[in-house]
Amino acid sequence: VQLLESGGGLVQPGGSLRLSCAASGFTFSNYAMSWVRQAPGKGLEWVAVISNSGGTTYFADSVKGRFTISRDNSKNTLYLQMNSLRADDTAVYYCAKSTGQYQLLSSFDYWGQGTLVTVSS
Amino acid sequence: QSALTQPASVSGSPGQSITISCSGTSDDVGSFNLVSWYQQFPGKAPKLMIYEVNKRPSGVSNRFAGSKSDTTASLTISGVQPEDEAVYYCSSYTGSTTLVFGGGTKLTVL
Repeated sequence: VQLLESGGGLVQPGGSLRLSCAASGFTFSNYAMSWVRQAPGKGLEWVAVISNSGGTTYFADSVKGRFTISRDNSKNTLYLQMNSLRADDTAVYYCAKSTGQYQLLSSFDYWGQGTLVTVSS
Repeated sequence: QSALTQPASVSGSPGQSITISCSGTSDDVGSFNLVSWYQQFPGKAPKLMIYEVNKRPSGVSNRFAGSKSDTTASLTISGVQPEDEAVYYCSSYTGSTTLVFGGGTKLTVL
């Protein structure tokens, strides 16, 4: 199993960024996927989850209405569209695979290496 | 979506057993057997150590064990080793279809 995030970088407050996570080594379309972030020197924060089919999504209150999560099962790729970015969105963003098939949100058995998003003027 | 409560730090000597607690509420830990524990080294991604309260993924040492009582979950490491020194996070599914993490516990092996 491999998860490879990309798309991070420096963005100004109020700006947008789209993260991608390329998955391989497992049947991507059978597993829900999540984004988890970690601000510098801080703990983990769950951000969003998408069901295996892409038909169901949930978000943390801190990003609801600003972030959207999507997936392309034909490309084995997960996305996170981040709009109206704020300084407190600065973090390493990890994509993570749900442990059980068709299980929406419980634990994550594989994580990517993370991509850093910095929101600053 | 308040974070679960973990001690900031715990320590132990090699060979000792240590326990890290994770306190939640009736909306998360107390209502679902979906508590997980992760180990994280500096600059690295977290690693799943325990899921569904007390299940160990393949390849995780049986020195790691999870349990739960009411609204508090626990991770016990038996015979702690220097290589276990890391930050440990708990997480729980919540009734709001979200996931909440604890603040993390730094384990120091003396």
